[in-house]
Amino acid sequence: DQQVKQNSPSLSVQEGRISILNCDYTNSMFDYFLWYKKYPAEGPTFLISISSIKDKNEDGRFTVFLNKSAKHLSLHIVPSQPGDSAVYFCAASVGSGGSNYKLTFGKGTLLTVNP
Amino acid sequence: DAGVIQSPRHEVTEMGQEVTLRCKPISGHNSLFWYRQTMMRGLELLIYFNNNVPIDDSGMPEDRFSAKMPNASFSTLKIQPSEPRDSAVYFCASRWGQTNSPLHFGNGTRLTVT
Repeated sequence: DQQVKQNSPSLSVQEGRISILNCDYTNSMFDYFLWYKKYPAEGPTFLISISSIKDKNEDGRFTVFLNKSAKHLSLHIVPSQPGDSAVYFCAASVGSGGSNYKLTFGKGTLLTVNP
Repeated sequence: DAGVIQSPRHEVTEMGQEVTLRCKPISGHNSLFWYRQTMMRGLELLIYFNNNVPIDDSGMPEDRFSAKMPNASFSTLKIQPSEPRDSAVYFCASRWGQTNSPLHFGNGTRLTVT
């Protein structure tokens, strides 16, 4: 049973446009969400996170939106750049303090930004 | 900051052989994680250490898998005997503290068992 789902295996956008990556979750106990970016032959790197007490978090070109009622989050990249081409993983955890170590990952979305 | 260092980067072995994967976490980080990535199941947590002590090994697939962390700067994941279904990319990750600090991943070990 996949608790974190990224239903689009791939996404292609033009440079300068907006990229929107989506993630759905089924476990209503999840209260902390993260996005990781992964280049080929490298490990995932942390991109941005959001707590369930917020519905938006912004960091430069990257914004994450959380819709708790729909159990849905999205990552917006504006403007998209060719260097953003990578696999993006959505992840979620339950609880705070020492209990939230267990991240549940989606299977990832391959973003390709075309020049 | 050298990041999380994993070795080897690639390992090809025959079924039945013992495989040992190694990890050096970032200095000062007190939590260490081993993940496995496959096409079918994505990224799965195998085991979590905090202050060198295994806290959760519920993700370890079976007794053929074992992990140790003899000190704060080194961990191993061993598979004995290895099977073709163990073929995957194995990632080590570390972080400081127990709160929502992000994980820092190594570049992984791609294991192929023939």
